[in-house]
Amino acid sequence: EAGVAQSPRYKIIEKRQSVAFWCNPISGHATLYWYQQILGQGPKLLIQFQNNGVVDDSQLPKDRFSAERLKGVDSTLKIQPAKLEDSAVYLCASSLVNWVSVYEQYFGPGTRLTVT
Amino acid sequence: RKEVEQDPGPFNVPEGATVAFNCTYSNSASQSFFWYRQDCRKEPKLLMSVYSSGNEDGRFTAQLNRASQYISLLIRDSKLSDSATYLCVVGRGATNKLIFGTGTLLAVQP
Repeated sequence: EAGVAQSPRYKIIEKRQSVAFWCNPISGHATLYWYQQILGQGPKLLIQFQNNGVVDDSQLPKDRFSAERLKGVDSTLKIQPAKLEDSAVYLCASSLVNWVSVYEQYFGPGTRLTVT
Repeated sequence: RKEVEQDPGPFNVPEGATVAFNCTYSNSASQSFFWYRQDCRKEPKLLMSVYSSGNEDGRFTAQLNRASQYISLLIRDSKLSDSATYLCVVGRGATNKLIFGTGTLLAVQP
């Protein structure tokens, strides 16, 4: 079974530029997550989708970050404009979720963003 | 105060040693508990879920104490391949939002 795919794997941009990340979850996984992992910290949830609807975006800095999952499959996360403190690994994860049971989250390899 | 607290380490142990990691969480409404493993420059992967009754998977034993809001992971007979960061994770809320600790770095020495 194919895992969670992410691209690009690495990105270097200057501050105030924009950047977009792409994620394709495991086939059949209805729930998709974007996490930010700053060096030396654990992943922090930015946004969670159930199919193409947003379930939780309470920690997404909405003035500069946006995400969409238009057809309920793949997703994009955008940062515009980027700040130095956005340098991090952006992890996408997916899972089977229903409101009775919770399933394991499977993570993609991440996109390592460096803002200079 | 962070919602999930872990000793960041590093823990440097010889092969064959037993090592224990501890974790505390502050939100009493937390409802699910996990240990994830993250190798250097790799993505996190689920190591095991943690239950109040305790659970064991080979050399790994996890314990949960809800009253003390405390989670532990014990690794027996450490192998070089156990070297990684171990993330304590709790889930809460209707969507079981996962809150990750900062991780504990384990280095098993030959």
